[in-house]
Amino acid sequence: EAQVTQNPRYLITVTGKKLTVTCSQNMNHEYMSWYRQDPGLGLRQIYYSMNVEVTDKGDVPEGYKVSRKEKRNFPLILESPSPNQTSLYFCASSLGPTGSNQPQHFGDGTRLSIL
Amino acid sequence: AQSVAQPEDQVNVAEGNPLTVKCTYSVSGNPYLFWYVQYPNRGLQFLLKYITGDNLVKGSYGFEAEFNKSQTSFHLKKPSALVSDSALYFCAATGANNLFFGTGTRLTVIP
Repeated sequence: EAQVTQNPRYLITVTGKKLTVTCSQNMNHEYMSWYRQDPGLGLRQIYYSMNVEVTDKGDVPEGYKVSRKEKRNFPLILESPSPNQTSLYFCASSLGPTGSNQPQHFGDGTRLSIL
Repeated sequence: AQSVAQPEDQVNVAEGNPLTVKCTYSVSGNPYLFWYVQYPNRGLQFLLKYITGDNLVKGSYGFEAEFNKSQTSFHLKKPSALVSDSALYFCAATGANNLFFGTGTRLTVIP
């Protein structure tokens, strides 16, 4: 089954404790993105990747890092999480870049709470 | 600023009645337009898209959307709503290298 898998699904942690949210896709897509979803704001792109070792900032990259060492994996790293990063996070992959006519395939989300 | 607007946070409709979820966009050029649906504790699922051509686009689960260039709108429609259509719906429009999402409309279909 074609899917995007995120882990963990839920995480409660404390300010300053580094965390990583993993994302893996099995569709051989070149393009992957991270979004955060906040009430009243819709989805906003954090980072995206066009291929292995090629990443770029989205609309809200501050406080986040990503890496793309393999085509299927695109982890999101919060080196020093802060409470304003409490949110619902989605990983997505696509056959084309985010400005193309190709739809995004989303994971089921990771709910992060940072105390 | 480029943006997508979904003017209704909540839409309620009786089962069997037609439904409309509204979307307007303010994006330069000729953007591609999408509708996604989100069920509880799940990611967004692609419903349909407009690229070019016919202004009425058909998608999954009996949904369709009407593109109106002069009004910069892309409203989602379904002729007969089902209780199982209750979910959160997002409209999105492409920019040069970006995807702008609306804030979402929660659809509730009342049995």
